[in-house]
Amino acid sequence: GQSLEQPSEVTAVEGAIVQINCTYQTSGFYGLSWYQQHDGGAPTFLSYNALDGLEETGRFSSFLSRSDSYGYLLLQELQMKDSASYFCAVKTGRRALTFGSGTRLQVQP
Amino acid sequence: EAGVTQFPSHSVIEKGQTVTLRCDPISGHDNLYWYRRVMGKEIKFLLHFVKESKQDESGMPNNRFLAERTGGTYSTLKVQPAELEDSGVYFCASSPITDTQYFGPGTRLTVL
Repeated sequence: GQSLEQPSEVTAVEGAIVQINCTYQTSGFYGLSWYQQHDGGAPTFLSYNALDGLEETGRFSSFLSRSDSYGYLLLQELQMKDSASYFCAVKTGRRALTFGSGTRLQVQP
Repeated sequence: EAGVTQFPSHSVIEKGQTVTLRCDPISGHDNLYWYRRVMGKEIKFLLHFVKESKQDESGMPNNRFLAERTGGTYSTLKVQPAELEDSGVYFCASSPITDTQYFGPGTRLTVL
């Protein structure tokens, strides 16, 4: 079977740094993606890691360790607009994505 | 460049009725996916088209769901007859040959 585990909720203050972890157990692994979804909106692609290591895109970074079946999304200099749900998703065979249940991030002033 | 669009944005139907959801992918994207999120659970894969061919339909829950992509452009997902447990948000995504999938805003389906 396929399963991804991520925390259900995280709260942080503006300007802070927050890390959202994701562990996975899947049959077949090609890479780990992160998506952001605001309430009622479309999941928006943030990052994709196929190889071990850290990928940085502006205030957001994503990390992958294939040997540990683990990754994380790091959000720096948090802003109120970062309040949203964040999903990790594993790319298995045939290009389908298997999603985690999402982490709801609340950024407080 | 226009993103993935879906129609309708909301649909409320009664159990036993038929509903057809439409997805227009980003122009030039051969890969088109359907996903759904039921009652706040995780987003689950339904099926994947490459052009007009079904590449993987392993996520389709049962034969009440029928997806088509005639001509390899837009796709439709028909639910017939709809059941209460079909309520949720249905997302469409498309991708070119790379791995990044771009999602549409979703169709919120409510079956009463």
